[in-house]
Amino acid sequence: GAGVSQSPSNKVTEKGKDVELRCDPISGHTALYWYRQSLGQGLEFLIYFQGNSAPDKSGLPSDRFSAERTGGSVSTLTIQRTQQEDSAVYLCASSPEAGVLADTQYFGPGTRLTVL
Amino acid sequence: DQQVKQNSPSLSVQEGRISILNCDYTNSMFDYFLWYKKYPAEGPTFLISISSIKDKNEDGRFTVFLNKSAKHLSLHIVPSQPGDSAVYFCAATRGYSGNTGKLIFGQGTTLQVKP
Repeated sequence: GAGVSQSPSNKVTEKGKDVELRCDPISGHTALYWYRQSLGQGLEFLIYFQGNSAPDKSGLPSDRFSAERTGGSVSTLTIQRTQQEDSAVYLCASSPEAGVLADTQYFGPGTRLTVL
Repeated sequence: DQQVKQNSPSLSVQEGRISILNCDYTNSMFDYFLWYKKYPAEGPTFLISISSIKDKNEDGRFTVFLNKSAKHLSLHIVPSQPGDSAVYFCAATRGYSGNTGKLIFGQGTTLQVKP
């Protein structure tokens, strides 16, 4: 079956521009997570969705970052006024449910964002 | 504050030998631990997990050991195969505390298994 997909796979943008990153989770998965991996670092949690609501936004690094999820499916991560330190691989994961059974988070291939 | 640490950025072993990857954590609230494997240009894939009520979990060639008193876990791969060459991430979560399921990851260890 189809896994988690993300688009674009690569994005190069200029400092100060806005970018949108898209995640299509596995159909029927209610939980959705965004992480990012900066160069030489581990994956860093950004935000968690349960359905269309985001009860945990604690990992968003600044108010330039926002995310939404519609129809309990597709999610978009938006970064406004991008900075060079935003350069990273942004990973999306989905899960049938949140909390217990954390091993059922399925990751997409990621979007590599480069801010020049 | 790095709550999950993998202090070895890389590890090289010979095919057929044992690979041991280590991970330390600081937050005593973590009660569920996972290992993920990541190939280049792909997302991480789940490998094996362990609950804090256990000290060992085994799945084929992969075994995870948990030492709660030392806040340390390790992944053993026996025997190692060239296809095991990848980046391995340790992750922790409060899996049984009604939380969101968010994972806290270490920095990763790149394993190279030489034929």
